[in-house]
Amino acid sequence: SSELTQDPAVSVALGHTVRITCQGDSLRTFYASWYQQKPGQAPVLVIYGKNNRPSGIPDRFSGSSSGNTASLTITGAQAEDEADYYCNSRDSSGQNIVFGTGTKVTVL
Amino acid sequence: QLQLEESGPGLVKFSETLSLTCTVSGGSITSSSFYWGWIRQSPGKGLEWIGNIYFSGVTYYNPSLKSRVTMSVDMSNNRFSLRLRSVTAADTAVYYCARWVRGAPYYFDFWGQGTLVTVSS
Repeated sequence: SSELTQDPAVSVALGHTVRITCQGDSLRTFYASWYQQKPGQAPVLVIYGKNNRPSGIPDRFSGSSSGNTASLTITGAQAEDEADYYCNSRDSSGQNIVFGTGTKVTVL
Repeated sequence: QLQLEESGPGLVKFSETLSLTCTVSGGSITSSSFYWGWIRQSPGKGLEWIGNIYFSGVTYYNPSLKSRVTMSVDMSNNRFSLRLRSVTAADTAVYYCARWVRGAPYYFDFWGQGTLVTVSS
């Protein structure tokens, strides 16, 4: 079972803002990273560290963290942002790696 | 640009051993800054970390799979491999290889396209 919990699904109107959360005790110690996965494709890193975007990721994607919760915010969601999103970090022991349960984002 | 490519049989028989290789191009597997990992995704399910390996051979495995997993590195060919023993239908999944950044913050920055492995009876 995953030590990182995400809401299964969220929806957002085109051009509006959506926040996806990831909860877990290890997030008090380690930053989460976030991945976007579209159907039939490999995951793509969108946010890592405190709030860093890899080259090519639009600035409408941002990350934040507070206590045991990490968040990914999409400001001004676009149709192409419709995808599954996974958080990722180390587990509470610090020895292993865990993924969140995943959130399906629907852009209406 | 770094690229990773998984290869191996797409069909494995029940109770046998799944073997996959990830070939790295555009960068060296011996870089001290990275680990190399395997992640899988069962049909319609989420991502599951299998394990990571450093070029020196140091490994970290998911405790739930540790008894059946072996990872290795082939520095001369810039690739690393996964072996999963005694497979069952639950091991049917898309298997991804990826690069894990070694220092904090930790993350997988490059991924292969994935390869589907089906376990059949």
